[in-house]
Amino acid sequence: EVQLVESGGGVARPGGSLRLSCAASGFTFEDYGMSWVRQAPGKGLEWVSRINWNGRSTTYADSVKGRFTISRDNAGNSLYLQMNSLRAEDTALYHCARCSTTSCYNWFDPWGQGTLVTVSS
Amino acid sequence: QSALTQPASVSGSPGQSITISCTGTSSDVGGYNYVSWYQQHPGKAPKLMIYEVNNRPSGVSNRFSGSKSGNTASLTISGLQSEDEADYYCSSYTSSSTLVFGGGTKLTVL
Repeated sequence: EVQLVESGGGVARPGGSLRLSCAASGFTFEDYGMSWVRQAPGKGLEWVSRINWNGRSTTYADSVKGRFTISRDNAGNSLYLQMNSLRAEDTALYHCARCSTTSCYNWFDPWGQGTLVTVSS
Repeated sequence: QSALTQPASVSGSPGQSITISCTGTSSDVGGYNYVSWYQQHPGKAPKLMIYEVNNRPSGVSNRFSGSKSGNTASLTISGLQSEDEADYYCSSYTSSSTLVFGGGTKLTVL
């Protein structure tokens, strides 16, 4: 069974940092690009970042560019999101999602259940 | 990176058909056939329902269909069932090499 399990969420102060992880299983991790998508409480989905299969190509939404860094460890079947200079508006449930191909320009399937990040003083 | 435009809510009675629109620009929806649709029930992860405008993943009911005309994509659900009540989101690739979602549509089955 293909499975994605996020961890690392919690409460952070404005200006603080958090590192999210996503453990993948049930498929050949290095065959797929991966993405992070977030959902603020009671709001819609917002795409955050994507990374291609070998980690050499990454893209970010304008809202997080320069503050967040996506990375992956293919040997460990894991995806990461380093979040720095956190703001209140970064408060959301963060989902990792598998992309359709080695790059990430199409659909997402499946999605993890998400890990909650709360930025508050 | 403006969100794609979806109606906030739609509703229909069991057995009826409904259509949810997703309007973008020539830089996203209109420029690529990389439009997908997701269903999200409360407290659950999104589920892929349609990919590449009009393709259904294995296991998704054929009551769900997608289409596109110009800068607007659409999701149609026929033979509405109570279990279809959920939030629906469209997504598209963009000319900036990013991805963008619609604001979401809440479907109510009356």
